[in-house]
Amino acid sequence: DQQVKQNSPSLSVQEGRISILNCDYTNSMFDYFLWYKKYPAEGPTFLISISSIKDKNEDGRFTVFLNKSAKHLSLHIVPSQPGDSAVYFCAASGGAQKLVFGQGTRLTINP
Amino acid sequence: DTEVTQTPKHLVMGMTNKKSLKCEQHMGHRAMYWYKQKAKKPPELMFVYSYEKLSINESVPSRFSPECPNSSLLNLHLHALQPEDSALYLCASSQANRHEKLFFGSGTQLSVL
Repeated sequence: DQQVKQNSPSLSVQEGRISILNCDYTNSMFDYFLWYKKYPAEGPTFLISISSIKDKNEDGRFTVFLNKSAKHLSLHIVPSQPGDSAVYFCAASGGAQKLVFGQGTRLTINP
Repeated sequence: DTEVTQTPKHLVMGMTNKKSLKCEQHMGHRAMYWYKQKAKKPPELMFVYSYEKLSINESVPSRFSPECPNSSLLNLHLHALQPEDSALYLCASSQANRHEKLFFGSGTQLSVL
């Protein structure tokens, strides 16, 4: 049972435009959500997070939106830059020492 | 220092070999993790150590044996692995009460022949 789903395996965006990556979850016990970014041959790096008591968190070019009723979160990157090309993992946590990851979305920023 | 260092970066081993993966962090984190990642898949949790004690084992086969000698070091001992165990093995650490915000190493790419 996949509790965190990223339905788009890949996304291609023009440089300077907005990138929107989506994530859905099924477990109502999740109360903390994160996005990790992964370059090839490197480990994932933490990007941005949001608690379930909020619906938006912003950090520079990155904004995460949380819609609890729809069990959906999204990551907005604006403006997109070539260095943003990577695999993005959505992850969720519900109290136990365990983070559940989505399948990942490969983002490609085209010049 | 916000780094998690893993060695070796690459490892090729036969099914009868014994090898160890090493992980080190100096951020004062008291929780350390082993994850396994296959190509085009998300990281899968294997083990969690909290204050040097094993707190989670995700039903990992006994051919994988974790060890936490001290708060900065984490090892994964490998013995009699199968070709399907070939994967990227990632170590991570976190503050003990912030298990969701992980700091990952670059991983060890393991090939079992």
